[in-house]
Parts: sequence; C-alpha cells; structure tokens
Amino acid sequence: EVQLVESGGGLVQPGGSLRLSCAASGFTVSSNYMSWVRQAPGKGLEWVSVTYSDGRTYYGDSVKGRFTVSRHNSKNTMYLEMNSLRPEDTAVYYCARTLPRGSSYGMDVWGQGTSVTVSS
Amino acid sequence: DIQMTQSPSSLSASVGDRVTITCRASQTINTYLNWYQQKPGKAPKLLIYGASTLQSDVPSRFSGSGSGTDFTLTINSLQPEDFATYYCQESYSIPTFGQGTKLEIK
Repeated sequence: EVQLVESGGGLVQPGGSLRLSCAASGFTVSSNYMSWVRQAPGKGLEWVSVTYSDGRTYYGDSVKGRFTVSRHNSKNTMYLEMNSLRPEDTAVYYCARTLPRGSSYGMDVWGQGTSVTVSS
Repeated sequence: DIQMTQSPSSLSASVGDRVTITCRASQTINTYLNWYQQKPGKAPKLLIYGASTLQSDVPSRFSGSGSGTDFTLTINSLQPEDFATYYCQESYSIPTFGQGTKLEIK
C-alpha cells in the first residue's frame, strides 16, 4: 500500500528547532518528487517546499533560510528541519508525493499530518 | 508571484445539485492547475490535475476545465460525501493554493 506517515510534531518555543519525518511505504522517496505543505489552524493550505528526485529543493519565501529538507534513502524517509521557529509557523504539516511535470505536479499521496505549535 | 483567486469562498447546496467553483490566476498558467478536496481533520485529496484530468478513483461526477487564467471545478449530482472544502493550486511556478471554497449542505 502506498502510504506516507509524518511524525515529529509538537510544542516548541519561538526561536527553537524541530525536525519532522515523513516515512514512505509502497514507493521510493528518492525516486519521486516530494513536497511539504502546511495548514495553520482554521486557514488554507500553504506550500512549503518541493524536492525533486535529483535532490534539488525549492522553498517558499516564508521558510527560506530557516527550513531544510533532507532524505535518508535507506529509511525511505524525508525530513523537514525547521529552525528559528516563529509563532506563525504553527500549523499542521503534511508531506505529499508530487507527480512529475507531465501531471501538473499534482500531489497525489498525502500523509495524515503532524501538528507543530510554536509558543512560549 | 502568481495569485490564485477562488470563488465563491463558501457555497450552500443540496444533495443532487450541480455546483461550479471557479479559480482565476493572476497570469497565465497554461493548464498547470490542480484541484483538491479536504474534509475536516483530514489531509487534502487530489481530484483533478492538469486542469481537466481526473485522478484515479475519483468519481466521474467531478470534472475540471479551463486553461490560461480561468478554471472551473464542476460537481454534478452532489452526494453527501462531497460536502468539504475545495482548493485549487497552480503548479506553473511556485505552487500556490487558492483560499478555498467551503461547500456546505443547504
């Protein structure tokens, strides 16, 4: 079964750090495009990052320079390292498999989400 | 950056109705437009990619159309499970989501 499972969310103080994990089953993370998307409480969806199969990663302006994506191929897992966290980073974070350009980069497989709260 | 404007922001309809949600891009995005459905407490679900291609396992009552800057999502014969929030997303440049359309039961 094709599946994504996020973990690592929690409560962190402003300025702190957190690492989220996105473990895949049924497909290979490193062979696919992968995205992170977040959703603040009661708000809409916000794109965070996309990582292509060749390792190139692009970030949204609101997280650029503070968030870093990495992959652990043998664990078939993607990570989102979040530093210098701000209250406005409070959200549910989803990872999603992203289809290639020919399929309009649609995000076809999503995890269940992990909640991050940045508060003192 | 490309801005995506969805309308309406909310919509009331009855089971069996036909509804249309529109999404307008601030500049042309060809057909790099995707539609998602999200239910409370759940992850989004891809419905349509490339403006008009139905994702596998999505019922055929859902359809998408448009190109350039104007796009529509149509749901024919609304079913109880269709009441949810719908988002468009452009993937021509930096992926950007519309603000969402909440579809409620009348």
